[in-house]
Amino acid sequence: DVVMTQSPLSLPVTLGQPASISCRSSQSLVHSDGNTYLNWFQQRPGQSPRRLIYKVANRDSGVPDRFSGSGSGTDFTLKISRVEAEDVGVFYCVQGTYWPFTFGPGTKVDIK
Amino acid sequence: EVQLVESGGGLVQPGGSLRLSCAASGFTFSSHWMSWVRQAPGKGLEWVATIKQDGSEEHYVGSVKGRFIISRDNAKNSLYLQMNSLRVEDMAVYYCTRDQLNYWGQGTLVTVSS
Repeated sequence: DVVMTQSPLSLPVTLGQPASISCRSSQSLVHSDGNTYLNWFQQRPGQSPRRLIYKVANRDSGVPDRFSGSGSGTDFTLKISRVEAEDVGVFYCVQGTYWPFTFGPGTKVDIK
Repeated sequence: EVQLVESGGGLVQPGGSLRLSCAASGFTFSSHWMSWVRQAPGKGLEWVATIKQDGSEEHYVGSVKGRFIISRDNAKNSLYLQMNSLRVEDMAVYYCTRDQLNYWGQGTLVTVSS
């Protein structure tokens, strides 16, 4: 199975400041169809997860443009340009290239 | 509006069985892969199983292979998860999701305890 790692696992942030989360996979996530199925999710406290970014860098509908994804192969990054209070929660990366899909352990973001 | 509504969770003893359901609306159900993802109390997310649009292909995480069965009824716009030989470690909130996990339900809690 593909192992997903994230760093940091805990990220205290200052409102209005940028934040960045790293995600790495144990093997390249490039699918045979040429796509890279690396997605990012946010789970706010007490809520279901919601997808923010799909295929590395594509924002889902309704996701603020302060969220951006980048990377390739095995190294990926989620960036928040200016953290807002509603951004607290746990962020997960997940690979959907290989069966079984696998999630990273999550990065807990809270306000300093 | 896409809606996924899970049901069927509850308390079950170790070794018991439970069937989860997910009622889908707001999209053409038969055109989409569907999945179950779970989250144990206080833990991270774990993908459980996925089924192809016509039910011809299924995939499972190793820990549930041979015990869980994912199925669907496209005429009823419904997804199911038959869970057998339940273990304490299967206790979690189970979410119904679509495609590359782009839509999620509110989840249904499965408690496995004697």
